[in-house]
Amino acid sequence: DAKTTQPNSMESNEEEPVHLPCNHSTISGTDYIHWYRQLPSQGPEYVIHGLTSNVNNRMASLAIAEDRKSSTLILHRATLRDAAVYYCILRDVSGAQKLVFGQGTRLTINP
Amino acid sequence: KAGVTQTPRYLIKTRGQQVTLSCSPISGHRSVSWYQQTPGQGLQFLFEYFSETQRNKGNFPGRFSGRQFSNSRSEMNVSTLELGDSALYLCASSVTGHKGTDTQYFGPGTRLTVL
Repeated sequence: DAKTTQPNSMESNEEEPVHLPCNHSTISGTDYIHWYRQLPSQGPEYVIHGLTSNVNNRMASLAIAEDRKSSTLILHRATLRDAAVYYCILRDVSGAQKLVFGQGTRLTINP
Repeated sequence: KAGVTQTPRYLIKTRGQQVTLSCSPISGHRSVSWYQQTPGQGLQFLFEYFSETQRNKGNFPGRFSGRQFSNSRSEMNVSTLELGDSALYLCASSVTGHKGTDTQYFGPGTRLTVL
């Protein structure tokens, strides 16, 4: 499984945008980029995924670099409820049905 | 739709005992995966079941086993418990779909403490 690199922690203020970076320099052409987050005392939850183009959903946006070696999860207006550990995960189309979690980025939101 | 449910939520066992954890996936989901989460190792994949067959297995000793029933419900078993097995055990279900795009939905986990 291709590896991802994320900052250990980030901090932001409530109602401001948050940009969470992820490097995946060894990404292959068939790897999808997935983001999950884990709120305190809960199981992980899906946030968003993409392959090549930028993606938007009700939770967040995913911006993917043209060379696909990095991506950024964008929370447009952070709330206190967005405080969580965010995981960037690569999933191969032909690979095993599993998620390989790294250490993730612990996001703190200040009121 | 009801989410993924796991029982029990909390469990305390002693070394050498065995334990069985249960997971009920979202209705219509046929794939169930299990993960172990510890402060030191983070989230690690244990195994995945699809249509009652183990399809993938992580790097865990044979003391960890699982099964899936015809209604897609799954159980995992840990025999001869060790202190290091203390962890949050998470179950996730998915429809099956495309490996690159299907979403896994996680339950709240079972917190196992081994004394």
